[in-house]
Amino acid sequence: NAGVTQTPKFQVLKTGQSMTLQCAQDMNHEYMSWYRQDPGMGLRLIHYSVGAGITDQGEVPNGYNVSRSTTEDFPLRLLSAAPSQTSVYFCASSYSGVQSSYEQYFGPGTRLTVT
Amino acid sequence: AQSVTQLGSHVSVSEGALVLLRCNYSSSVPPYLFWYVQYPNQGLQLLLKYTTGATLVKGINGFEAEFKKSETSFHLTKPSAHMSDAAEYFCAVRGGGFQKLVFGTGTRLLVSP
Repeated sequence: NAGVTQTPKFQVLKTGQSMTLQCAQDMNHEYMSWYRQDPGMGLRLIHYSVGAGITDQGEVPNGYNVSRSTTEDFPLRLLSAAPSQTSVYFCASSYSGVQSSYEQYFGPGTRLTVT
Repeated sequence: AQSVTQLGSHVSVSEGALVLLRCNYSSSVPPYLFWYVQYPNQGLQLLLKYTTGATLVKGINGFEAEFKKSETSFHLTKPSAHMSDAAEYFCAVRGGGFQKLVFGTGTRLLVSP
């Protein structure tokens, strides 16, 4: 199993550009989520999905869109990049069945800089 | 609402010394508690978790944590620090609804020779 994979590892954008951060998992997990990590702020939830076709907003959703067309993939789109979106982005997935322990599995992250 | 407080953004210890990283939580549901470790330029890796049952939980790399309901705490300890333990550590609690986790702001552990 590859687990949770993310691409790209690094990205530099100019203000106003758009891009998509890719996330995929091969563990057949229903739950997937996107976090951003900023110094001194821990991980903040951007969007999450409880299954294909179902997404919802987290703590800091503004400026980001998501969709979930398959169980495996959960891309994060930046519509018009702003310097405030400079951050490290993590995708995570979790099994959400009856015996779930709520443990989340994380990808390696995407480091995004917006100039 | 669920929340996590990690006391100390940085903790420094000498190699061989006791490691103690503090975590207090607030939860309106029976807590599931986690400690994750993040090595430089990497993702988060699960160290250990408490769901139900035994309150002393053992994890990887010699770490353990004790769930104390009366103190709403889940402190992480290791008897003897190793240079390779230098990393950032995050405490998390099951959030409200679905599979959400609520994370603390993290504690960076520095280990000196």
